[in-house]
Amino acid sequence: DTEVTQTPKHLVMGMTNKKSLKCEQHMGHRAMYWYKQKAKKPPELMFVYSYEKLSINESVPSRFSPECPNSSLLNLHLHALQPEDSALYLCASSADRVQTEAFFGQGTRLTVV
Amino acid sequence: EDQVTQSPEALRLQEGESSSLNCSYTVSGLRGLFWYRQDPGKGPEFLFTLYSAGEEKEKERLKATLTKKESFLHITAPKPEDSATYLCAVQARGTSYDKVIFGPGTSLSVIP
Repeated sequence: DTEVTQTPKHLVMGMTNKKSLKCEQHMGHRAMYWYKQKAKKPPELMFVYSYEKLSINESVPSRFSPECPNSSLLNLHLHALQPEDSALYLCASSADRVQTEAFFGQGTRLTVV
Repeated sequence: EDQVTQSPEALRLQEGESSSLNCSYTVSGLRGLFWYRQDPGKGPEFLFTLYSAGEEKEKERLKATLTKKESFLHITAPKPEDSATYLCAVQARGTSYDKVIFGPGTSLSVIP
């Protein structure tokens, strides 16, 4: 199983809402990532978890809050987002943080209204 | 400054017309170079990892090569289903952690 599963596939939320994105992998990978991708742009790294601990935060605003409950799950909690936060949010995993041959999920298309 | 560029930005090919995509990089220390394929609205799909100059990898109609300054993705006799955006990413040594830098991508369209 080389699959990274993300839910939901689509999400529309208001600027005062709180929502969460979920990501799951069962490949035994110990590094998990959140990326943000705007239209016709490459993915931009947001967070990296290594062995369930946050190891990299690419200066992401606090309205985005990551969580890694266990080695298979990764969440991204969203609160008070802005319309410019609308994007495709991608989760990825790799065997470890040094090896970044990453496997990506299908993404969550987020629209902030 | 670490940088990854890709060319061309967009490429249209007739079915069966072979061509190459380029990924040029300037990084302080290369740990690995990755090629991904991305279909619209989907996550990137991993294709290849290359670690050292002279290395080559093949998968079906795709062949990736690496030199000290660039990588090529050769597409032989492409089919319409090869249409996608091809992303190159470079893992570079950083001061506190190894950075992954994505190039802007090449959008490939294969016309029947």
